[in-house]
Amino acid sequence: DGGITQSPKYLFRKEGQNVTLSCEQNLNHDAMYWYRQDPGQGLRLIYYSQIVNDFQKGDIAEGYSVSREKKESFPLTVTSAQKNPTAFYLCASSIDKTGGYGKLFFGSGTQLSVL
Amino acid sequence: SQQGEEDPQALSIQEGENATMNCSYKTSINNLQWYRQNSGRGLVHLILIRSNEREKHSGRLRVTLDTSKKSSSLLITASRAADTASYFCATGPRSGGYQKVTFGTGTKLQVIP
Repeated sequence: DGGITQSPKYLFRKEGQNVTLSCEQNLNHDAMYWYRQDPGQGLRLIYYSQIVNDFQKGDIAEGYSVSREKKESFPLTVTSAQKNPTAFYLCASSIDKTGGYGKLFFGSGTQLSVL
Repeated sequence: SQQGEEDPQALSIQEGENATMNCSYKTSINNLQWYRQNSGRGLVHLILIRSNEREKHSGRLRVTLDTSKKSSSLLITASRAADTASYFCATGPRSGGYQKVTFGTGTKLQVIP
């Protein structure tokens, strides 16, 4: 089945630790995104990437880093600089369309909590 | 910053009734999308309406778009308990070249059997 796989489903971070959230897609989509969702809130864009080896900061990039070495993969690292990392993290992808955007396909999310 | 804001924040209806939720946005858009999220899950795309369209239907869903008022509405007819979820509108910039999709704060819908 084609889709987006996020892992792990639950992740715990200790003080001062960096953690990496995995996102893999087999939809052959060009664009990939990371969103953060806090309880009862909407989604806020962390980073997005239109093409391999290129990515841009979203609205809340501080304390996070990403890489896009392969089309299928867009891992997110939550660094120790992110002081309030507890949230639900969602990865998404879409077919890049010049002049607009297509629908987003989402993974099932990773819940990150601080120990 | 949040581009869209949904209204109401929460809605509780009886099964079989219609549910209407609204979305307002701030800047010119290329198109607007609606998504559903079940608790603790990812979002699922429901429907997309382009800026030159005024109304669109998909099964029990009807979406309207008023670009002069920068608003959209989602109507779910003959609601079912399985429609219980949060609903989000999403917008993208009018100028293309990149896809920065921004989501609203959502409407939490509860359909009582």
